[in-house]
Amino acid sequence: DGGITQSPKYLFRKEGQNVTLSCEQNLNHDAMYWYRQDPGQGLRLIYYSQIVNDFQKGDIAEGYSVSREKKESFPLTVTSAQKNPTAFYLCASSTGPLAYEQYFGPGTRLTVT
Amino acid sequence: AQRVTQPEKLLSVFKGAPVELKCNYSYSGSPELFWYVQYSRQRLQLLLRHISRESIKGFTADLNKGETSFHLKKPFAQEEDSAMYYCALSGSAGANNLFFGTGTRLTVIP
Repeated sequence: DGGITQSPKYLFRKEGQNVTLSCEQNLNHDAMYWYRQDPGQGLRLIYYSQIVNDFQKGDIAEGYSVSREKKESFPLTVTSAQKNPTAFYLCASSTGPLAYEQYFGPGTRLTVT
Repeated sequence: AQRVTQPEKLLSVFKGAPVELKCNYSYSGSPELFWYVQYSRQRLQLLLRHISRESIKGFTADLNKGETSFHLKKPFAQEEDSAMYYCALSGSAGANNLFFGTGTRLTVIP
């Protein structure tokens, strides 16, 4: 079954703990993205990666970190430095530069208390 | 800086009525515009892009550079059109980052 997967669907953490969200794709896509979705604010880009071992900050990268060691995987770590981490996180992928269609995962809802 | 504005958070229309979801953008160069849709319990997915000039599920959208708009239209709304719609913009050539609007939730009343 091809596609992009995110796990877990729901995640709960205590304040002060780092947490890593998983994103995997078997579409052979070069580019991958992480977005944050908050009520009334649409999707905001956190980080993106156009090729393996390379990634760039998006609009709201502070308090987050990523890695891209494999083409298929683009994990996002929400660190304790993120002031308001509770949100819905969406991962996406696309075939590469100038490929404007992004394929989205089902999302992970993170709640930090 | 890029900006996408969707002025309506909520829009309700009756089945069979025309529907228009508004999108305005701000970008200094030549943008690529898209509409993404999220149906209930489904993933966000591409609906249409302006460069294709296509009609998908009866929806069309025309890029108006003079008014910097990319409104999504359908002449006769159907119940299955009820969803969350996001307008998105891609800017600089060679960059495939999307800037999303805040979304409009469309409800089609039977």
